[in-house]
Amino acid sequence: GAVVSQHPSRVICKSGTSVKIECRSLDFQATTMFWYRQFPKQSLMLMATSNEGSKATYEQGVEKDKFLINHASLTLSTLTVTSAHPEDSSFYICSARSDSSNQPQHFGDGTRLSIL
Amino acid sequence: QKEVEQDPGPLSVPEGAIVSLNCTYSNSAFQYFMWYRQYSRKGPELLMYTYSSGNKEDGRFTAQVDKSSKYISLFIRDSQPSDSATYLCAMTGLGNKFYFGSGTKLNVKP
Repeated sequence: GAVVSQHPSRVICKSGTSVKIECRSLDFQATTMFWYRQFPKQSLMLMATSNEGSKATYEQGVEKDKFLINHASLTLSTLTVTSAHPEDSSFYICSARSDSSNQPQHFGDGTRLSIL
Repeated sequence: QKEVEQDPGPLSVPEGAIVSLNCTYSNSAFQYFMWYRQYSRKGPELLMYTYSSGNKEDGRFTAQVDKSSKYISLFIRDSQPSDSATYLCAMTGLGNKFYFGSGTKLNVKP
């Protein structure tokens, strides 16, 4: 149980393109979803927390107009990197948590984004 | 001071060894403790989830929490080359804020 699916797993695109990443909880309802960025050999950096039906809460330093998050249902959240540039190249990982207050996060397999 | 401290390693052990991975933390409000395993270019996978102090065993894995010392451990018995990965500890109290360690890279040599 507690499977989180993230797509696509790999994206290579030109500078200026907008890229959408999907995160789905397959066998549970995710009241809360998280989006992380991970640089090589570094730990997870939380970008934003989203609750179903409400606006995402962004961490300090994360541009909300650059990284658009939508959490329209209890099983789907999307991250759109708008007008991506080479410095946005990174490994993006989502996670989901059910509505019980003491549940752990379950992670997707990440999206490797490369902007040329 | 970071909320959670974890030695980044790398930790290199021979196959069959007992591995001990550790994290310390500073916030006494943490109640839920997790260990994740992350293979290269993959998302973290939940290994162990414990509440408050005590031990929890699952196969070759044992998680220990000592809240009085603010210290948690993950033990891996009979380690295998397939256990080679980065291990992340994580913890939380009430609410949605999770705190992650920086990860310990483990290499189990055949």
